[in-house]
Amino acid sequence: NAGVTQTPKFRVLKTGQSMTLLCAQDMNHEYMYWYRQDPGMGLRLIHYSVGEGTTAKGEVPDGYNVSRLKKQNFLLGLESAAPSQTSVYFCASTLGGGIDTQYFGPGTRLTVL
Amino acid sequence: GIQVEQSPPDLILQEGANSTLRCNFSDSVNNLQWFHQNPWGQLINLFYIPSGTKQNGRLSATTVATERYSLLYISSSQTTDSGVYFCAVSYWDDKIIFGKGTRLHILP
Repeated sequence: NAGVTQTPKFRVLKTGQSMTLLCAQDMNHEYMYWYRQDPGMGLRLIHYSVGEGTTAKGEVPDGYNVSRLKKQNFLLGLESAAPSQTSVYFCASTLGGGIDTQYFGPGTRLTVL
Repeated sequence: GIQVEQSPPDLILQEGANSTLRCNFSDSVNNLQWFHQNPWGQLINLFYIPSGTKQNGRLSATTVATERYSLLYISSSQTTDSGVYFCAVSYWDDKIIFGKGTRLHILP
């Protein structure tokens, strides 16, 4: 039982490049979340999903897109990376949404030059 | 919008001391969680506590939902308690919003 995994762990991009971060969970959780963490800012919610085929905006959605084609996977895409998107990205999941315990992946450190 | 405020932002203590961390939130919540982020970046859930009091070893938490705050107590601090402590609240729309955290340094 791996819990929540994230791929890749590290990535360096040039401004304007695109990439996709993959989050996978094997706990059969319905709800999945993407956050970014910047120094002094805590974790800010980018997008989340309440089930397969659904997505919703969080606090800071601009510049990101997401997809939840399979229940166990939640993808975060950057179409045209900007230096302001340099951050550590965390994925999380819960069984029953906001009323359940949240489990986090190990994070992806992204640098945009 | 939703406001989650944590205090203090930073705390430095000697090993063995006790501490109280506070989380204030601006609206009625469905749930409140406390997390510890260790120096390697891993986020670990400590408590799921929408109301009432819970204890787990040297840690305990109390949430007073009607007054919109929660407290995390750490007794007899150890160096392994160092890191950042976050509270996170959730609302009717299943968003889970985090505060900015309290950075705790425990000195040997």
